[in-house]
Amino acid sequence: DAGITQSPRHKVTETGTPVTLRCHQTENHRYMYWYRQDPGHGLRLIHYSYGVKDTDKGEVSDGYSVSRSKTEDFLLTLESATSSQTSVYFCAIKKGDMNTEAFFGQGTRLTVV
Amino acid sequence: QKEVEQNSGPLSVPEGAIASLNCTYSDRGSQSFFWYRQYSGKSPELIMFIYSNGDKEDGRFTAQLNKASQYVSLLIRDSQPSDSATYLCAVNPGGSYIPTFGRGTSLIVHP
Repeated sequence: DAGITQSPRHKVTETGTPVTLRCHQTENHRYMYWYRQDPGHGLRLIHYSYGVKDTDKGEVSDGYSVSRSKTEDFLLTLESATSSQTSVYFCAIKKGDMNTEAFFGQGTRLTVV
Repeated sequence: QKEVEQNSGPLSVPEGAIASLNCTYSDRGSQSFFWYRQYSGKSPELIMFIYSNGDKEDGRFTAQLNKASQYVSLLIRDSQPSDSATYLCAVNPGGSYIPTFGRGTSLIVHP
């Protein structure tokens, strides 16, 4: 158990509604990541954080925003959900320095109808 | 563009055989390399990491790294049906704390 909890685990929402996914860690690690995983595309980085209020964009950041007001929580927000954002979302953390491995949360399956 | 390439498969091997999974990467400055296993509907779990050229063994798993040729491989000896999963290669590009993932190789071990 890497001490990472994602919520909700499953969500169905309507197009145009805002959605927030939460990633919570219990061990105060510095680096946190949001990925989405889609068939044929693998894991793609949405946003990442290297400390409280320190965040930056990944390769597929359009339509997403993040916030990290506390070390333990990293929030991913879809401002206005679209069907193309139907995906499985994974949060990950690094427990050490930049060269260490990443550990993943259980994932959130989001369906936008 | 920092890229990690894997053959998507599926790679099908009989039970008891050696499964060989390969990964190439584009950033010559990459310093750390990881293999994850992902069962259908589950999150990726780390099974091996390697930092230095050569082989690293852990039970039935061996990771091999060749920085000159920019490839990393995973060998699974005595493959079992329970090894059937998607295997993801991940690389930390040089000077970056952002892991970059390949698209994964699907492995099927048939009895």
